[in-house]
Parts: sequence; structure tokens; C-alpha cells
Amino acid sequence: DTGVSQDPRHKITKRGQNVTFRCDPISEHNRLYWYRQTLGQGPEFLTYFQNEAQLEKSRLLSDRFSAERPKGSFSTLEIQRTEQGDSAMYLCASSFGYNEQFFGPGTRLTVL
Amino acid sequence: GENVEQHPSTLSVQEGDSAVIKCTYSDSASNYFPWYKQELGKGPQLIIDIRSNVGEKKDQRIAVTLNKTAKHFSLHITETQPEDSAVYFCAATPLVGGGADGLTFGKGTHLIIQP
Repeated sequence: DTGVSQDPRHKITKRGQNVTFRCDPISEHNRLYWYRQTLGQGPEFLTYFQNEAQLEKSRLLSDRFSAERPKGSFSTLEIQRTEQGDSAMYLCASSFGYNEQFFGPGTRLTVL
Repeated sequence: GENVEQHPSTLSVQEGDSAVIKCTYSDSASNYFPWYKQELGKGPQLIIDIRSNVGEKKDQRIAVTLNKTAKHFSLHITETQPEDSAVYFCAATPLVGGGADGLTFGKGTHLIIQP
């Protein structure tokens, strides 16, 4: 499978714990995006990378969120001190240049 | 920032009929408009997109139209089939600096195809 992959697919955690998600983009895609989707809503943009550089961050990305793409390949999204409001589907997408964004299956986070 | 409005939120059509979903956007800098289909438990899947240098694009039973002046774009699905049942999202973004910025999505339309 050469699509975008995300790990884990599901994560249940207790309030206050830290969680980290991983995204592997389509090979050779230079742009990688993170989105958050809550039930019944469209995805909301969080941040994106061009190669290893983080180019834009949404105001939704609070201080508790951090994303990295250290070698311009896979990316991680970490949420520190999780809150119940962080419960959502976290989606990753990748693209090459001006071409379309391809989405992964998402990581569903539940904060108890 | 960009704001995308999408209507209707739910659309029920008879199998074989056509379905139309409409979106409006606010930022005149937006020039790329994709449509995604999302099935339960899956990530969004791109079904068609349009750039602002054209007014219409068609791919088999799916077409998208764009009115830049009115800042409207629409998705048209003809001869609907049961497998078209899903949630559809429109989105908008500017294409600048070597690629697309983050997409701004509408709230989605739940399309139900009645047999």
C-alpha cells in the first residue's frame, strides 16, 4: 500500500497524559498536513510542513500541541496534558507541489 | 481567513436521480477547490477538484462548477448509485509559494441514496 499511513488508528488515554501520533506520507511528497476532525464537522487545518520546515500553524494549535518532521519524511504530532476537548480524529495528508492532498485513515483519540 | 459555507447538510435523492451540493467561500485569494468523499471510519478521499482558471470540470458522473465572481462552487453527481451514499466536503485554499496552504473545509453534506 503506497498511500498515507497513520499510527495508531485508535488511542484512548486519560486526561493529563501525553500522546504522540505518527504519519507516514506518500513517498516523495514534500508537503505534509495535519488536520483535526470532530464528529459531524469538516476537518480543521492544524499545521503543515514543506520538507522538514513547518510553514504554517493554525490558531487551533495551542501550546500543548507540537509537530515535527525531522528528516522531511514521516511526521509526529504530540499533545501534552490532554484534555477531554482534544477528543477527535486526527488526520494527516500529503501532497507534492501544487497537486492534490491525499489523506490517511486518521487516528481517533478519546480522552477519558 | 477563509470561511467556507456548504449546503445542504443532508440530501436524500432517489437512486438514478441527480444530486447537487453548493458551497460559497469568502477569500478572493482562494484559487483551488477540491471535493472530498468520506465514508464512515475512513479518511477523506478526493473525488474531483477545480482551479480558478476554469469554470467547469467533469469526470464521468461527477462535475464541478465554479463562479469566481459570486464565490460559489458546486458539485453535481448524475445517475446516483447506492455507493454514492457518504459525507461530501467542499474545501478551498490559495495555491501559493510552491503548493497549497491548509484547506478550509465546509461542514459537510450527508448524501443518502434511496433505493
